[in-house]
Amino acid sequence: GAGVSQSPSNKVTEKGKDVELRCDPISGHTALYWYRQSLGQGLEFLIYFQGNSAPDKSGLPSDRFSAERTGGSVSTLTIQRTQQEDSAVYLCASSPGGSYNSPLHFGNGTRLTVT
Amino acid sequence: KNEVEQSPQNLTAQEGEFITINCSYSVGISALHWLQQHPGGGIVSLFMLSSGKKKHGRLIATINIQEKHSSLHITASHPRDSAVYICAVSKETSGSRLTFGEGTQLTVNP
Repeated sequence: GAGVSQSPSNKVTEKGKDVELRCDPISGHTALYWYRQSLGQGLEFLIYFQGNSAPDKSGLPSDRFSAERTGGSVSTLTIQRTQQEDSAVYLCASSPGGSYNSPLHFGNGTRLTVT
Repeated sequence: KNEVEQSPQNLTAQEGEFITINCSYSVGISALHWLQQHPGGGIVSLFMLSSGKKKHGRLIATINIQEKHSSLHITASHPRDSAVYICAVSKETSGSRLTFGEGTQLTVNP
């Protein structure tokens, strides 16, 4: 694919429901990141994958958040029992290596609204 | 105090003006990134640098490691440059995660 693809682009869900957000990185990019941006706020790190393993998941805000990556490619971010404060734009990025030596390529994000 | 500080927070310029956005950081870094976020929300990586200066078209990014400071310059600014510009660092102690500044909202008027 040409770039990082995220789906859905928009998701409205009721409080208490579970949601799954998907990220399809650029082919061959070993590093994958999830960030979120709440309304009017800066970007916040959630989790980083290198291949299928997650050496840094320190940004996940609670145990309701989990993520996995399979085949060194597609990643899903799952939020269980959604709360209104989870409303944000969830951004995925990928890079050939770590951010200490490679530029990041961002997807267009998933806008999550919890009602 | 944030580890990455940007100034100014907001900047309005007339088309054609030379623009400078500043970024200061207080931690040891492996690399510094400049990102551009357009009103639709998409984020584009402009530069990644760990020393010296990089140029791409009308954009120039510099970094002074000793002073822990970076600048993003836009020459001959154009209304299409209107966006939020975000400075982010890859900290030496944090591996690959980025730590972000709050962003600078740039508006270039015709």
